[in-house]
Amino acid sequence: GAGVSQTPSNKVTEKGKYVELRCDPISGHTALYWYRQSLGQGPEFLIYFQGTGAADDSGLPNDRFFAVRPEGSVSTLKIQRTERGDSAVYLCASSLAPNYGYTFGSGTRLTVV
Amino acid sequence: AQTVTQSQPEMSVQEAETVTLSCTYDTSESNYYLFWYKQPPSRQMILVIRQEAYKQQNATENRFSVNFQKAAKSFSLKISDSQLGDTAMYFCAFMKLPNFGNEKLTFGTGTRLTIIP
Repeated sequence: GAGVSQTPSNKVTEKGKYVELRCDPISGHTALYWYRQSLGQGPEFLIYFQGTGAADDSGLPNDRFFAVRPEGSVSTLKIQRTERGDSAVYLCASSLAPNYGYTFGSGTRLTVV
Repeated sequence: AQTVTQSQPEMSVQEAETVTLSCTYDTSESNYYLFWYKQPPSRQMILVIRQEAYKQQNATENRFSVNFQKAAKSFSLKISDSQLGDTAMYFCAFMKLPNFGNEKLTFGTGTRLTIIP
């Protein structure tokens, strides 16, 4: 597609539930990144993929968070047993040459009630 | 680890005036990239300008320019002839020189800029 697409745009879930957030990167971009942006803060790195493999998952806060990119294109961020502290905007970005900057999606606002 | 500091949580300026947003960073790396991103209410982060640390010349993109002071680890953004559409959050970001093609961005906490008509 023309840009990075993230779905859903907004998600409200109850504490303890499981959620999946989807990212569809720009066609041909081999690198894909997930960031989390809490209210009033800058984005914080979670994980990045080079192709199908997670090249760096050092930003995932705990084992409730997991991400996949099985075919090297679409990625899904999965959060188990959601907590109120997981409420944030989850941003996805893709790039061909990251030193020229990423292209970001519009994010998914997750609210855990 | 790298850190990025933006000490101005909020700024406002009259339309058509010039405004400068501050950013400092801390790193032990000698080669890296610096970026300014704009985030309007739509939430999408938009790249405004980038600077390569090994280039002494300050980057410019139309009304946007930077003042890059490598020794002082300072990277400020100047917006000239400000327009209402410039109203947004602005984030400064740092990237180490990529190994094997990719590296993550480290962001500051942002400056909320309001352009007053």
